[in-house]
Amino acid sequence: GQNIDQPTEMTATEGAIVQINCTYQTSGFNGLFWYQQHAGEAPTFLSYNVLDGLEEKGRFSSFLSRSKGYSYLLLKELQMKDSASYLCAAPRGGYQKVTFGTGTKLQVIP
Amino acid sequence: DAGVIQSPRHEVTEMGQEVTLRCKPISGHDYLFWYRQTMMRGLELLIYFNNNVPIDDSGMPEDRFSAKMPNASFSTLKIQPSEPRDSAVYFCASSGSGTSGITDTQYFGPGTRLTVL
Repeated sequence: GQNIDQPTEMTATEGAIVQINCTYQTSGFNGLFWYQQHAGEAPTFLSYNVLDGLEEKGRFSSFLSRSKGYSYLLLKELQMKDSASYLCAAPRGGYQKVTFGTGTKLQVIP
Repeated sequence: DAGVIQSPRHEVTEMGQEVTLRCKPISGHDYLFWYRQTMMRGLELLIYFNNNVPIDDSGMPEDRFSAKMPNASFSTLKIQPSEPRDSAVYFCASSGSGTSGITDTQYFGPGTRLTVL
């Protein structure tokens, strides 16, 4: 995705913690989204950060630093079903127009 | 709510044929988006509508692609003529307008997997 960078692939062990980073350069910043996409399925919404800091939602947390153009998604107590692609996305050129990163494919191994 | 509905779920066609993809957004949502996803290019925005009006079609790859939204509950994406390089998964998504400049979450349909032979 244009101006949004995230690692292509990551591997982590079941039960562990993994952090997926996302950096962005976008004008008119209006928050940052994280979506989860299982193979062969549609992206589904995970989180939306508008303000700096950490937001926790069960095993998943998302962090945002607007001054650094940086976000991460933290997944705790990894489960095999967490194997999926994780896409960060930022609004661009209008409040509702969103640019997606190319996604980070996470593989959880036993 | 049934969520965003797309049809067909799978489409296999031959080069040169016309392809029409359909989408029904979530009731009450006034934004509708068409995306294309490939391994090479990821998720790309093709076009989006607000209140049935096309707002930005800069992502539409060529004149072979066209999209319409005749009413608030229906949109089509048409490819004519189709080419093998159009093979991809096409997603439709919808959202509300957000509040005070805050972007509203987009909800995706299941996608249409298009294969052009």
